[in-house]
Amino acid sequence: EAAVTQSPRNKVAVTGGKVTLSCNQTNNHNNMYWYRQDTGHGLRLIHYSYGAGSTEKGDIPDGYKASRPSQENFSLILELATPSQTSVYFCASGDAPLNQDTQYFGPGTRLLVL
Amino acid sequence: SQWGEENLQALSIQEGEDVTMNCSYKTYTTVVQWYRQKSGKGPAQLILIRSNEREKRSGRLRATLDTSSQSSSLSITGTLATDTAVYFCATGNNYAQGLTFGLGTRVSVFP
Repeated sequence: EAAVTQSPRNKVAVTGGKVTLSCNQTNNHNNMYWYRQDTGHGLRLIHYSYGAGSTEKGDIPDGYKASRPSQENFSLILELATPSQTSVYFCASGDAPLNQDTQYFGPGTRLLVL
Repeated sequence: SQWGEENLQALSIQEGEDVTMNCSYKTYTTVVQWYRQKSGKGPAQLILIRSNEREKRSGRLRATLDTSSQSSSLSITGTLATDTAVYFCATGNNYAQGLTFGLGTRVSVFP
């Protein structure tokens, strides 16, 4: 079974601070994704990656950076956190090209920006 | 938006009943996936149906896809209390990575 883990699971940050959310997958999947989930908006794609060293912008990338240093790890970075970035963040991985197959999601990180 | 008029819908049913939920989408898609999200967890895929398929079954689940009306449905037969969750449909196509999720249907199954 696919295994995607996220850390931390909960985070409280201050406005203007830097936040790094981490994701690790043990499935050797090429593609990894970051989504945020908010009431009224569902899940929205922030950044994604095709493999180590690659990051691409998703639908709502503003205020976020991503880093894929290895096949297994994909980080989401909030350089200057704002209260509007309070949300639940999900990482996912998948191996099919061009979005044609199952994505495996992590358990989520709940971020509160004060 | 990828989606038609859609709010988070909520359905309450008794164990043993069947339930069907629908979603519609606006733009071209080659695949529709249905995911289930239980409270405090990440989404987990239930079923994937491609644009050349009209129906797909998996255990108690049945998904349909009508590309002419750009709509899909998910049916669960003989619901269990453990089916209580939010169910999302998600679309993908050949031109973008990631999935586009609908707002979901909250299903509560009571014993």
